[in-house]
Amino acid sequence: LAKTTQPISMDSYEGQEVNITCSHNNIATNDYITWYQQFPSQGPRFIIQGYKTKVTNEVASLFIPADRKSSTLSLPRVSLSDTAVYYCLVGDGFNKFYFGSGTKLNVKP
Amino acid sequence: DTGVSQDPRHKITKRGQNVTFRCDPISEHNRLYWYRQTLGQGPEFLTYFQNEAQLEKSRLLSDRFSAERPKGSFSTLEIQRTEQGDSAMYLCASSSPLGTGLGDSGANVLTFGAGSRLTVL
Repeated sequence: LAKTTQPISMDSYEGQEVNITCSHNNIATNDYITWYQQFPSQGPRFIIQGYKTKVTNEVASLFIPADRKSSTLSLPRVSLSDTAVYYCLVGDGFNKFYFGSGTKLNVKP
Repeated sequence: DTGVSQDPRHKITKRGQNVTFRCDPISEHNRLYWYRQTLGQGPEFLTYFQNEAQLEKSRLLSDRFSAERPKGSFSTLEIQRTEQGDSAMYLCASSSPLGTGLGDSGANVLTFGAGSRLTVL
C-alpha cells in the first residue's frame, strides 16, 4: 500500500496560486493519484485525479512527473473559500482507499 | 438521488449505550465504505462492502462495531457499549466500478456523505 506524505499546513493569500506537493515513493503501476478537499464538519469532496503527466479540470490542475513518485495539486487564484484540508490518495481505485493527515490550507485576505 | 445521505447527523449518548448510524449511498453505486475521523486527523478506513458482501474490515473495527448492508443498498454501522474513545465523525462513502463516480483518469472516486458526529459522554 503506497503511503503518502504531505505538508501539514500552508498559508496563502487571496488571488495567489497554491501548489501542494504529495510524495508517494512506493506508488504501484496500477495506482492512480486522487485529491480530495474537506471543509469542517463535511465529508471529503473529490477534486481531481490523474495517472501521469498533467490533468486539468475546472477546479484545479494536477502535475505528475514521469517517475510518478510525487504529484502537485495546483489551485489557481485561491479565495477565502478554498481554506480547507486537502488530501492526496494513491490507490488502484477499486478497493479500500487510505487517507493521510492531509494539508491544511489557510487562505488569508 | 442527490448524493450520499447519513442519519443522524449528530448523536450524543452516554457511555455504555448502543448507537446505530445509517447510510444511504448513491443508488447506482455498488460499493459502500465506512470511515471514522477524529479532530485533526484524516479519515480512517473501517470497512467496505461490495453489494451486500463485507469485503474487508480494519482492525480498528473492534468486536463492539458491526456493519451491515443487508440488501446491497443502505448500510448500518452499530457501536455497542460505546466508550468515550468512540467519539468521532463517522463518514460513509460510495463508489461504483462501472460508469458513474469516475475521476478524470477513469478510476473510481469516493462520494462522501456529510457524516454522523458521535459524542460519548
